[in-house]
Amino acid sequence: DQQVKQNSPSLSVQEGRISILNCDYTNSMFDYFLWYKKYPAEGPTFLISISSIKDKNEDGRFTVFLNKSAKHLSLHIVPSQPGDSAVYFCAASYTGNQFYFGTGTSLTVIP
Amino acid sequence: NAGVMQNPRHLVRRRGQEARLRCSPMKGHSHVYWYRQLPEEGLKFMVYLQKENIIDESGMPKERFSAEFPKEGPSILRIQQVVRGDSAAYFCASSPPGRGVGQETQYFGPGTRLLVL
Repeated sequence: DQQVKQNSPSLSVQEGRISILNCDYTNSMFDYFLWYKKYPAEGPTFLISISSIKDKNEDGRFTVFLNKSAKHLSLHIVPSQPGDSAVYFCAASYTGNQFYFGTGTSLTVIP
Repeated sequence: NAGVMQNPRHLVRRRGQEARLRCSPMKGHSHVYWYRQLPEEGLKFMVYLQKENIIDESGMPKERFSAEFPKEGPSILRIQQVVRGDSAAYFCASSPPGRGVGQETQYFGPGTRLLVL
């Protein structure tokens, strides 16, 4: 039962443009969401998080948006850089429970 | 401040052998999580441990897999009598004590890639 879904397995974006990665979830109890970035042969690296009391969190070039009514969150990267090319995972949890991860979206930023 | 450490990075076993994967959490972190990533799939939760306690093992296969986090030393994920389907990347993550499970960011190690021949 995949409670967190990333329906786009891959995304290509031109350098300098905006990258938008999407994530949908099914469990309305989730109240904490994170994005991780993963390079090949490395562990996931934490990028940014958001709690359900907010609808937006920004950190430099990275912004996460949360739409609780739609059970949807997205990660915006602007401007995109070639070094952003990686697999991005979203994850969700609620207090006292494990994190559920999506299957990942592979982002390629074209120079 | 060292991050989460895992060893070995690569492990090759023949069917029927045992695999032992080690994880040392970040300094100050008392929560350890193990995940498995099969080829072309996302990260699947396996088990959550605190020192000397298994808190949640709902993602662990019922047989052959076990995990521990002793008072001293690293957390160990043990797979007995490995089969080819156990071939995967196994990631360990740690988080500090704080607001509670599911509310703290987890920091991942580099993973152990297990290959069963």
